[in-house]
Amino acid sequence: DTGVSQDPRHKITKRGQNVTFRCDPISEHNRLYWYRQTLGQGPEFLTYFQNEAQLEKSRLLSDRFSAERPKGSFSTLEIQRTEQGDSAMYLCASTPPGTFYEQYFGPGTRLTVT
Amino acid sequence: DAKTTQPPSMDCAEGRAANLPCNHSTISGNEYVYWYRQIHSQGPQYIIHGLKNNETNEMASLIITEDRKSSTLILPHATLRDTAVYYCIVRVDNSGYSTLTFGKGTMLLVSP
Repeated sequence: DTGVSQDPRHKITKRGQNVTFRCDPISEHNRLYWYRQTLGQGPEFLTYFQNEAQLEKSRLLSDRFSAERPKGSFSTLEIQRTEQGDSAMYLCASTPPGTFYEQYFGPGTRLTVT
Repeated sequence: DAKTTQPPSMDCAEGRAANLPCNHSTISGNEYVYWYRQIHSQGPQYIIHGLKNNETNEMASLIITEDRKSSTLILPHATLRDTAVYYCIVRVDNSGYSTLTFGKGTMLLVSP
């Protein structure tokens, strides 16, 4: 069990650029979640996949955000035309089949938009 | 999901028990109480959860009042590595919409 991994761990970009983050869940975990966390706040839910299907999206996920999980394994989160308000920690979590209570979180990707 | 209220910060001496309170006065009968913690620069980590009975695992104990309107997470012998933000979350288990709603949590500082 290598845990949930995220890449990159840090990303600095200029306003207006596009960025893409990757999340590799724990093997055989069929549910995958993306959260965003700003300084001093708890994580906020963005979106949720069960296998390759995106089942729920938060209102926080504007049209500039898109997430995919093409083969039900790793997932990507893309932000287009980044804004300074997008600066945050982006967290990924996964859960195995049949388990709803424990989410295993990755270390996160810290995005800084300058 | 029911709203929770936690103190913003608490201190604890190393080796002593840390008792972290959480109020959830609007909790529904089918909602569970979950606790997660987040150590600095890491993702959140599941600690424990319960419905109405007290629960204990290798990390902590969870005490839920009889009316279920509040709960206490107990770390029996706090260590410096327990310094973290602790989140109390109330949600319906076994729901198809199985996300977590985090508040600001309690920053626990364990000192030597």
